[in-house]
Formats: sequence, structure tokens, C-alpha cells
Amino acid sequence: EAQVTQNPRYLITVTGKKLTVTCSQNMNHEYMSWYRQDPGLGLRQIYYSMNVEVTDKGDVPEGYKVSRKEKRNFPLILESPSPNQTSLYFCASRLAGGYNEQFFGPGTRLTVL
Amino acid sequence: ILNVEQSPQSLHVQEGDSTNFTCSFPSSNFYALHWYRWETAKSPEAFVMTLNGDEKKKGRISATLNTKEGYSYLYIKGSQPEDSATYLCASSGAGSYQLTFGKGTKLSVIP
Repeated sequence: EAQVTQNPRYLITVTGKKLTVTCSQNMNHEYMSWYRQDPGLGLRQIYYSMNVEVTDKGDVPEGYKVSRKEKRNFPLILESPSPNQTSLYFCASRLAGGYNEQFFGPGTRLTVL
Repeated sequence: ILNVEQSPQSLHVQEGDSTNFTCSFPSSNFYALHWYRWETAKSPEAFVMTLNGDEKKKGRISATLNTKEGYSYLYIKGSQPEDSATYLCASSGAGSYQLTFGKGTKLSVIP
């Protein structure tokens, strides 16, 4: 089944404890991205990647890192999480080209205490 | 950054009523507009995409696009409770990989 998977789905952590949210897609998509969704603010892009080893900042990159060593994986790293990073996170992927639909992962609910 | 605006923020309609909502986007350098349907506790799913002024239909739902003035309407004919969801529009610019999303219109269809 074609899909985007994320892990973990739910995470409660404490300020300053490094964490990684994994994202993987099995559709051979070039383009992958991370979003956060907060009430009243909609989906905001954190980072995106156009292909292996090519990443760039989205609208809200502060406090996050990403890597794209393989085409299928695009982990999101929070080196020192803070409470303002409590949010619902979505990974997404699609084929290159602005006309292709984007597929979203199931979301990761992160709480930073 | 493209600014994509959607209105209204939320909408309540009776089952069987038809409804519509708006997405506006910067018309310069526009390439494509996508509509996504986002049900509670699920992920957004794409369901309509339009590149030009042609109306796109998917069952009871249709989308129009005016690229000159920078807006799209989503029409739902004969709303059903299963249509209840947040509808997101997303715009992409020519030569850009990025999709910029609006904040969505939350539709509730009352049986």
C-alpha cells in the first residue's frame, strides 16, 4: 500500500531532551516536507527536501533540523525541544512538480513539558 | 511566501443544502491550486486539483478557478453529514516545489 508513515504517533517529553520523529514513504517521491499544525495557524511548513541531500527551510524552521540521506526517509530532529514546539506534526511527500498531489502521514502529536 | 486566504473559517449547513467557500491566492507566478479534505483525527487528503480555469468535478463537489483575479470556489451540492471536514486549499507557484496552504474552512453538516 502506498503510504507515508511517521513514528512515534504520540510523544510526551521534557524540555531539552533531544528527539527524532521518523518519516518514511514508499512511493519513490522526490519531494518531502514537514509541517506543524497549531490551532488558528493552519499548516506551516518547517523544512522541505527536493531530493536526497537537498533540504531547505520552510516558514518556521527555528529549533528543528532535518536530513535526507535516503530518498524514502526524512527524519525531523528536535535537538533541544521547548514547550512552544508542542504541536501536531505532519510529514508529507509527492512527486516533483507543482501539479502533483501531496500525501500526508498520519501525524505525530508532540507534547513538550 | 505566497499568502493563501480562505473564507469563511467555519460553516454550518443543514443536510441537503448546497454550499460554497472561497480560496484566494496571489495570482502572480501561479501554477496550480489543490483542494484537500481533512477529517477529524485523520490526515489531509487531496481530492481536487486544477491548473487552469476549467471547472473540476468530483461527484457532488466542484471547484472553479480564476487565475487572473486569484481565487477558487469550492461548491458542494446537496451536503451530506459525511462531507463534514476541514477543507484546505494550497497554491503552488511556477518553478516552485512548495505548496502554501490556507488555514482551511471547517464545514459541519447537520443531519
